[in-house]
Amino acid sequence: DARVTQTPRHKVTEMGQEVTMRCQPILGHNTVFWYRQTMMQGLELLAYFRNRAPLDDSGMPKDRFSAEMPDATLATLKIQPSEPRDSAVYFCASGPRQGDTEAFFGQGTRLTVV
Amino acid sequence: KNQVEQSPQSLIILEGKNCTLQCNYTVSPFSNLRWYKQDTGRGPVSLTIMTFSENTKSNGRYTATLDADTKQSSLHITASQLSDSASYICVVSEGYNAGNMLTFGGGTRLMVKP
Repeated sequence: DARVTQTPRHKVTEMGQEVTMRCQPILGHNTVFWYRQTMMQGLELLAYFRNRAPLDDSGMPKDRFSAEMPDATLATLKIQPSEPRDSAVYFCASGPRQGDTEAFFGQGTRLTVV
Repeated sequence: KNQVEQSPQSLIILEGKNCTLQCNYTVSPFSNLRWYKQDTGRGPVSLTIMTFSENTKSNGRYTATLDADTKQSSLHITASQLSDSASYICVVSEGYNAGNMLTFGGGTRLMVKP
């Protein structure tokens, strides 16, 4: 049963701490997206990778956020230092081969920064 | 700027009734449009995809329509069930190439009451 796996599912941290969220895309998928979802903003694209190379991270606050794909089976989103306004659900999604733009979403990481 | 607007923001209907959700977009060039269903606490799951040449497509009790001239899409739910309670998100893909950028609508929160 192929699925996108995100860890952790929930994270509560204090302001100023570093937070790392991990994503395992579906095997064989070559596009990976990071989204943030809040009640106010809905789903916002933070970063977009294709074949592990970052294509667009214009939606991500560069001073504190960083996204990487150290290998084809792992994508990471790091926040350092975290702030209360970063509290949201962070979704990772992966897409299959070129020719299909569907994004398969993980269950999300619910981040609370206090 | 590419935008996807959905209406209504929220909707409450009685079980067994029909409803229609709207999606207007300004994304150009247009590649395709997907409707996603997002259950509480879970990632979005694709319901249907509409390409430029398709006017209507059904998936069980869900029927999506697309008017590429007016840049409008609708999702009609027939004989609603309690399990239809979720957020419905319209997502438009931009561009001519695969793996294109996605623009998300804010979603419609549907609640089906017994």
